[in-house]
This record gives sequence, structure tokens and C-alpha cells, in this order.
Amino acid sequence: KQEVTQIPAALSVPEGENLVLNCSFTDSAIYNLQWFRQDPGKGLTSLLLIQSSQREQTSGRLNASLDKSSGRSTLYIAASQPGDSATYLCAGPIRDYKLSFGAGTTVTVRA
Amino acid sequence: GAGVSQTPSNKVTEKGKYVELRCDPISGHTALYWYRQSLGQGPEFLIYFQGTGAADDSGLPNDRFFAVRPEGSVSTLKIQRTERGDSAVYLCASSLSGLTSGDTQYFGPGTRLTVL
Repeated sequence: KQEVTQIPAALSVPEGENLVLNCSFTDSAIYNLQWFRQDPGKGLTSLLLIQSSQREQTSGRLNASLDKSSGRSTLYIAASQPGDSATYLCAGPIRDYKLSFGAGTTVTVRA
Repeated sequence: GAGVSQTPSNKVTEKGKYVELRCDPISGHTALYWYRQSLGQGPEFLIYFQGTGAADDSGLPNDRFFAVRPEGSVSTLKIQRTERGDSAVYLCASSLSGLTSGDTQYFGPGTRLTVL
């Protein structure tokens, strides 16, 4: 079974600082790795998907890397804004569709 | 276009009652998934549909839980004899095919179920 861990559980930073969110997984036979954002009381919004053959994906201020050999993915958010405050979850299926999620990192960006 | 929708957004029921939760996936998506999210945790997989059939129901916790997708679009998650431990947010997701590594799952807003 894929175990996904996210550290830290919570993070508070001043506006403008870069954010680094970590995700580790136990099974390197990962199919892909997705990063999601979840606002309080809301569903999940997909931010980035990195296929197993890729090493990183970028979208605007977001960059996610994937290192299968070490079982790690990192989400970087540049120049954080208060609107970035949310819980960020990573998830990785093994070989197929079944997403295994971490518990998330709750980010607070202080104005 | 329209995303994944779920109804109701909130459901409060009494222990022992039967509930149905509905999911409308994105039009044209053949794959549909149900997850359950407890407070402070990430979602946990329940069941996956490929078209009308349940391709994988290994995440359903027990036989009180059942899901259908009779026409390959809308799905209903059914919970019999609800228990307080069933209280959680039930999330539905859909994806284009569920068969490729680049297949993004798109999530609905969830149904918050509270069993009193």
C-alpha cells in the first residue's frame, strides 16, 4: 500500500516569501504525482500533475518536482500571497488510478 | 464548462438511517471515483467506475456501502444503517479515461455527511 507523508503539517509565512512543501511516498512505482489545493469546506482543485517519466511541472508561480528514486516530491510557490492560504495535498497512485493522499500541509500567508 | 457537482452539499441524518449521495461528473468523462475525507486527513479511496461498471470497490469499508452508475454518467453512493463513524466529507471525482498516467482527476465540492 502506498503511504504518503507531508511535512510540515502547517506552515505560516509572511507575504512575499517563497513556500516549499514536501511530500514523500513509500512506493517508487508511482504512476504520477498530483498536487491539489483545498480551501476550507471545499473540494480539491488540481494544481499540477507530474507523470512518472517527468521530473517537474510548472504553472505560473507554482513548480513541482518529482524524484522517484528518493520517493519525494516538492511543491514550490514563489512570492506567496494571502490568497495562497489553503491546505495543499499531494497524491500518487501506484500503476493506476487509485490516489493515495497525504494528510496535507495547511498554509497561512500573512499580509 | 461545468465541473463535477455533488448533491446535497450537506446531509444530517440519524444513526441507522439510509442515505444517498449523488455525483454528476464532467460530461464525457468515463472514469468516476468516490473518496471519503475525515477531519484533518487526506481523502481515502472508496470505489472506481469505468463506464457503468465498478472496476475497483476495494475501498468500500463494509457491505453497508454501495455505489451505482447505471448509465455511465451520474453516480449514487448509498449508505445503509448509517453509523456515527460514517460522518465525513464524501468526495466524487471524474477523469477522462482513468487509463493513462496523465489522466487528471477533477473533484467535486463534496457532501458533508453528519450522522447524529
